[in-house]
Amino acid sequence: DQQVKQNSPSLSVQEGRISILNCDYTNSMFDYFLWYKKYPAEGPTFLISISSIKDKNEDGRFTVFLNKSAKHLSLHIVPSQPGDSAVYFCAASDGSYNFNKFYFGSGTKLNVKP
Amino acid sequence: SQTIHQWPATLVQPVGSPLSLECTVEGTSNPNLYWYRQAAGRGLQLLFYSVGIGQISSEVPQNLSASRPQDRQFILSSKKLLLSDSGFYLCAWSAIRDRMFFGSGTQLSVL
Repeated sequence: DQQVKQNSPSLSVQEGRISILNCDYTNSMFDYFLWYKKYPAEGPTFLISISSIKDKNEDGRFTVFLNKSAKHLSLHIVPSQPGDSAVYFCAASDGSYNFNKFYFGSGTKLNVKP
Repeated sequence: SQTIHQWPATLVQPVGSPLSLECTVEGTSNPNLYWYRQAAGRGLQLLFYSVGIGQISSEVPQNLSASRPQDRQFILSSKKLLLSDSGFYLCAWSAIRDRMFFGSGTQLSVL
């Protein structure tokens, strides 16, 4: 049973516009949520995280929104750039474990067109 | 600053051969260590995690094993590789709840 879901396998956006990547989760014990960016044949790179006690976190062009009642989070990239083209993974950290256990979604491939 | 090293970057192995992938972390102590696998076109599947030396937990039954002989060293092994073991293997470490850092990955092809 997948506890973190990214239902859109791909997204295509024009350069300069906003990219919105979505993620849903089922486990109410998740206390941190993370976004990663991954290029082919490379390890994922950490982008931004948010605590479950917040509803928004910004870092430059990247903003993550958390809606706990809907168990939904989203990553906004504004403005989108061709270099943002990659696979984006959302992840959640389960606070009920005695170690940092992270669950990952299946990823969304973002294509930013010049 | 902390860094994670993973090698080799690419590996082609025949079915039935052994496997050893190594990962080391620098700049931190007593990290949580992880092995993930990404099959072609799929998400990240947690294979093993470790909270300390000699402490290994397996998430899924499989043909692989892991060991942590030193605090910052994590090894993924197999005695006999299967075709289904092909994939992109990632080592990762974490010391805080909102952050995990990945190595550069190993592309394993079993032929």
